[in-house]
Amino acid sequence: QQQVKQSPQSLIVQKGGISIINCAYENTAFDYFPWYQQFPGKGPALLIAIRPDVSEKKEGRFTISFNKSAKQFSLHIMDSQPGDSATYFCAAKRGSARQLTFGSGTQLTVLP
Amino acid sequence: DAGVIQSPRHEVTEMGQEVTLRCKPISGHDYLFWYRQTMMRGLELLIYFNNNVPIDDSGMPEDRFSAKMPNASFSTLKIQPSEPRDSAVYFCASKRGATDTQYFGPGTRLTVL
Repeated sequence: QQQVKQSPQSLIVQKGGISIINCAYENTAFDYFPWYQQFPGKGPALLIAIRPDVSEKKEGRFTISFNKSAKQFSLHIMDSQPGDSATYFCAAKRGSARQLTFGSGTQLTVLP
Repeated sequence: DAGVIQSPRHEVTEMGQEVTLRCKPISGHDYLFWYRQTMMRGLELLIYFNNNVPIDDSGMPEDRFSAKMPNASFSTLKIQPSEPRDSAVYFCASKRGATDTQYFGPGTRLTVL
């Protein structure tokens, strides 16, 4: 019940295209859903996060869509750029817990 | 702020040797997390501390692994004896209080021959 399942494992998109990464969870107690971005040789860094009281959150070209009934959330990167090439992790946290449960990661490559 | 600092950045050792990884969290952060990242298993939480006290070590794979946090500004992750399957990137992360954002260090790439 603590798992977060992420897909696809890898994604190749042309510059200017839309990148979509999906995550699904089982534990209905999860109430915080962040996405972390990791560049090669660096640690993951928070990109954007959402709570279940909203269905969508947008920050620049990055949007999280959240479907509470389906227990799914996704990251959309509009107008994808080569500089977006990185590994993206979804994660989830329940209530007062302090630790995050991470998905398996998606390696995104944006071709110039 | 300097961010989370980890050392060494790269470590190559031989099977059976002791390995010590070090972490300095962001000043003022009272939570510290140790993660291991591999291609096969992704990002795994090994242990986390609150106010220097270990709270959850259920992710520590074996007794060969141990972690300490002697003060608010320093933590170590020790592997003794090391094995080739311990080869991975080890990350330290910290956060403050009830906030949710974890700040990761640059990681230590460990290779055990």
